[in-house]
Amino acid sequence: QVQMQQSGPGLVKPSETLSLSCAISGDTVSNNRAAWSWIRQSPSRGLEWLGRTYYRSKWYNDYAVFVNSRITINADTSKNQLSLQLKSVTPEDTAVYYCARDPPQANDAFDMWGQGTMVTVSS
Amino acid sequence: QSALTQPASVSGSPGQSITIPCTGTNTDVGGSIHVSWYQQHPGKAPKLMIFAVSNRPSGVSNRFSGSKSGNTASLTISGLQAEDEAEYYCSSYTTINTRVVFGGGTKLTVL
Repeated sequence: QVQMQQSGPGLVKPSETLSLSCAISGDTVSNNRAAWSWIRQSPSRGLEWLGRTYYRSKWYNDYAVFVNSRITINADTSKNQLSLQLKSVTPEDTAVYYCARDPPQANDAFDMWGQGTMVTVSS
Repeated sequence: QSALTQPASVSGSPGQSITIPCTGTNTDVGGSIHVSWYQQHPGKAPKLMIFAVSNRPSGVSNRFSGSKSGNTASLTISGLQAEDEAEYYCSSYTTINTRVVFGGGTKLTVL
């Protein structure tokens, strides 16, 4: 049974960096047939895929263009977790953030999700 | 404005069938087999119901089915049950500016 447990602050000040972690159990972040994404959801912008990391003999990342200059997604194999950093946040980045698994058998579909972290950007 | 277009709401009575359309373009739905559907109850994470247009993950009821014609994908729920009341989202692989785009969501009400 795959589980994804998110952690991180729920309040970030404007212009600062949003940092979240997602601990994985029941699978490994270096699974060479899966990918690991961050997705956010807000009332104004709906569901938005932010980016992903995956391992295929080496690590790769893909990011959505609209956050490409501000986002970093990393995998920590020693802790079996992935992380999200989003720099220079504004109130527009206020959303529920999810980590999610893209499994081997379902390209670009997400079969396991973290519990979600509500992040508010406010001073 | 979401990349994929869904109706804001649909409704049906228990036992009936409903279909939720999801309209995109040839750069996403029309050009991809990677179309998925998610069910989301309030305060919960989305749950994958359909992947690759018409495939059900293990454990998802066969009352849920998916299809696609041209730039429009559809989710059909047969034999509506009270627990089906939720928000439903479609998603698709896309070649434009990102990798995955989502629809705006459809609120299903079971009358």
